[in-house]
Amino acid sequence: NAGVTQTPKFQVLKTGQSMTLQCAQDMNHEYMSWYRQDPGMGLRLIHYSVGAGITDQGEVPNGYNVSRSTTEDFPLRLLSAAPSQTSVYFCASSKHNNEQFFGPGTRLTVL
Amino acid sequence: GQQVMQIPQYQHVQEGEDFTTYCNSSTTLSNIQWYKQRPGGHPVFLIQLVKSGEVKKQKRLTFQFGEAKKNSSLHITATQTTDVGTYFCAGHASNTGKLIFGQGTTLQVKP
Repeated sequence: NAGVTQTPKFQVLKTGQSMTLQCAQDMNHEYMSWYRQDPGMGLRLIHYSVGAGITDQGEVPNGYNVSRSTTEDFPLRLLSAAPSQTSVYFCASSKHNNEQFFGPGTRLTVL
Repeated sequence: GQQVMQIPQYQHVQEGEDFTTYCNSSTTLSNIQWYKQRPGGHPVFLIQLVKSGEVKKQKRLTFQFGEAKKNSSLHITATQTTDVGTYFCAGHASNTGKLIFGQGTTLQVKP
């Protein structure tokens, strides 16, 4: 099993550009989540999903969209990138309320 | 909304000293999880506590869940340089799949 995979590993965007961060898991986990990590702020939940076709907002959802058309994939879309979205983004998956498995992260810089 | 506070933010100890990090939630939790993140890495699951007053041990690590299920602690006995990293607590407020992380405690160990 590959576990949780994320692409790209690094990305530089200009303000106003859009992009999609990809996340996939092969463990048949129902739950998937996106977090951003900034110094001193810990991990903040952006959006999460409890199953295919179901998504909900986390603590900091503004400026991000998600969809969950399959169990395996949970892409995160930045609609119009802003410098405040410079961060490290982690995707995670789990069985119901159990141990979360994290991907390696995407390091995003918005200029 | 649900908030999880963690203290201290940083801790520097001499190798062999003990270390404790504390976690407090604004709401009653259905469970609490602890993760460790090494520098440059992703969070890795350590343990989950579910029952009120629960205590679990993993070698030199002791985890406690408060009686009211609103606080938790992680205690490391006789720290080693391999304990270096950031320790996060994270809680589920209810059966929603929404896991909220504390800000983390970064542990530095001087040999």
